[in-house]
Amino acid sequence: DGGITQSPKYLFRKEGQNVTLSCEQNLNHDAMYWYRQDPGQGLRLIYYSQIVNDFQKGDIAEGYSVSREKKESFPLTVTSAQKNPTAFYLCASSIGKLNTEAFFGQGTRLTVV
Amino acid sequence: GENVEQHPSTLSVQEGDSAVIKCTYSDSASNYFPWYKQELGKGPQLIIDIRSNVGEKKDQRIAVTLNKTAKHFSLHITETQPEDSAVYFCAASRENTGFQKLVFGTGTRLLVSP
Repeated sequence: DGGITQSPKYLFRKEGQNVTLSCEQNLNHDAMYWYRQDPGQGLRLIYYSQIVNDFQKGDIAEGYSVSREKKESFPLTVTSAQKNPTAFYLCASSIGKLNTEAFFGQGTRLTVV
Repeated sequence: GENVEQHPSTLSVQEGDSAVIKCTYSDSASNYFPWYKQELGKGPQLIIDIRSNVGEKKDQRIAVTLNKTAKHFSLHITETQPEDSAVYFCAASRENTGFQKLVFGTGTRLLVSP
């Protein structure tokens, strides 16, 4: 089946540790995105990548890092510099860099204790 | 830049009733308005969208209306069912500028009681 897979679904980490969230897609989409979702708020863009080996900061990139070494994969690292990392993280992909339609993964709920 | 406001934040209806969620946008150049449904613990899914060249679009029990002059658009769900319970997000952008340009509302939690 084609789609976007985020793993793990739930993730627990101690404060001060870096953690990497996985996002893989087999839709042959060029563009991929990471969003953060907090209760009562809309989706906020962290980073996006329109093509392999290139990525851009979104609205709330501080404390996060990404890589795009393969078209299928766009992992997100939540670093210890992120002051409030506990949230629901969503990955999405779209066919091309100009498309305004995208497909979301199932999300990863990160809890930092 | 674009700003999208969404109301109400929560909406409770009885099964079979209609539900209406409203959004306003600020950028008069925005011409693409999707609606997403997010079930508990899952990612959002596109359920319907409308472009500025039409005023209304329907898909079975859901419909979206757009008033470009007033810069607002609404989602209408008729004959609600318990499986309609979810969080609904509206969004707005200029089409073909990239998904990263989409600005989301803050969401409406719809609860449909049997």
